[in-house]
Amino acid sequence: DARVTQTPRHKVTEMGQEVTMRCQPILGHNTVFWYRQTMMQGLELLAYFRNRAPLDDSGMPKDRFSAEMPDATLATLKIQPSEPRDSAVYFCASVTGGLAGAEQYFGPGTRLTVT
Amino acid sequence: RKEVEQDPGPFNVPEGATVAFNCTYSNSASQSFFWYRQDCRKEPKLLMSVYSSGNEDGRFTAQLNRASQYISLLIRDSKLSDSATYLCAVNIERAGNMLTFGGGTRLMVKP
Repeated sequence: DARVTQTPRHKVTEMGQEVTMRCQPILGHNTVFWYRQTMMQGLELLAYFRNRAPLDDSGMPKDRFSAEMPDATLATLKIQPSEPRDSAVYFCASVTGGLAGAEQYFGPGTRLTVT
Repeated sequence: RKEVEQDPGPFNVPEGATVAFNCTYSNSASQSFFWYRQDCRKEPKLLMSVYSSGNEDGRFTAQLNRASQYISLLIRDSKLSDSATYLCAVNIERAGNMLTFGGGTRLMVKP
């Protein structure tokens, strides 16, 4: 049963610390998305990659957030320095690129709390 | 105005009731439409795609109204297990697979 995996599942950190979240997309999926979900803003797209190349990161605060895909099996989202307003659930999703109607498969999320 | 809007609810309905949610979208170029279901503290999962002609999957019916720019989800004979948040998602073809999600509508089915 192929699925997207994310680590860590939970992270509590202090303001100013660096946070790195990792995502392993489903094997064969060449498009990866990072989302952030909060009660106030809902599910927001932060960045997405196709064939490891960033296609859109306009939803991501550039001064503190960075997203990379060092290889086809790993996507990372880094926050440095973290702030309390970054507290949210961060989801990764993957899909086979190029098919507009294709289902996005979400990972279980990383629940981040910044104190 | 948000690109995709939903009534956040909650919709509280008794078991067996029929309930309908709407979702409006602002971009007339939107091409693909979806309903996702999200259980509490879980990830969203695709419930169904929404086709131009409308489509049905068991107790669930999805409709698209391009003229008025909204999609709808109808749940018949609701079950306790239908309690969840329902997210609509819209894809603009030029953006490939990128989806814009609504804020979700929370449904609570009561015994």
